[in-house]
Amino acid sequence: AQSVTQLGSHVSVSEGALVLLRCNYSSSVPPYLFWYVQYPNQGLQLLLKYTSAATLVKGINGFEAEFKKSETSFHLTKPSAHMSDAAEYFCAVSGGAQKLVFGQGTRLTINP
Amino acid sequence: DTAVSQTPKYLVTQMGNDKSIKCEQNLGHDTMYWYKQDSKKFLKIMFSYNNKELIINETVPNRFSPKSPDKAHLNLHINSLELGDSAVYFCASSPRGGGTYEQYFGPGTRLTVT
Repeated sequence: AQSVTQLGSHVSVSEGALVLLRCNYSSSVPPYLFWYVQYPNQGLQLLLKYTSAATLVKGINGFEAEFKKSETSFHLTKPSAHMSDAAEYFCAVSGGAQKLVFGQGTRLTINP
Repeated sequence: DTAVSQTPKYLVTQMGNDKSIKCEQNLGHDTMYWYKQDSKKFLKIMFSYNNKELIINETVPNRFSPKSPDKAHLNLHINSLELGDSAVYFCASSPRGGGTYEQYFGPGTRLTVT
């Protein structure tokens, strides 16, 4: 079975500061890992995904994530936050089963 | 063109009523999903169809019945609505099932049961 834990339901950073959103996963098989973003009143949009190729994955809007098997982590980072990054972020895992399992989400707030 | 569309966007109804939500994707994908997002933003899969065949049926009350007339459409019918059904329902699609493919989400349907 797969599960995801996102550390911190709410993260607040200043504009221009580093964004770090934490995700730890559990999977009994090699995982596929995803980060999705949800802007207010919208559906989810894929930011990036890890599928056992490179451990450092680059996504859209300047985001990237690093897969660390030893730490069972897949943290999302962005060097410099922009006001438009304010949204809800979801980490998700699948282990070859038919479904994705989502974390509880992290709300990112950007302070001017 | 909208890739995954849902209607209606908002649905307000009373307890005990029956309602349907429609979903259409124009991406040519084989697999479609229904998710429920509760008030705390927790997102949980309800159903998955692959080429009109039910693949995933999570622990969902049997008041919820999905129907897939063709692989581009997946509708959700809910009987005898309850207060606890209030949530945002998302439809999604992916090229195939298996959990390894990106899922494309619709804009959601906010259901409010009074």
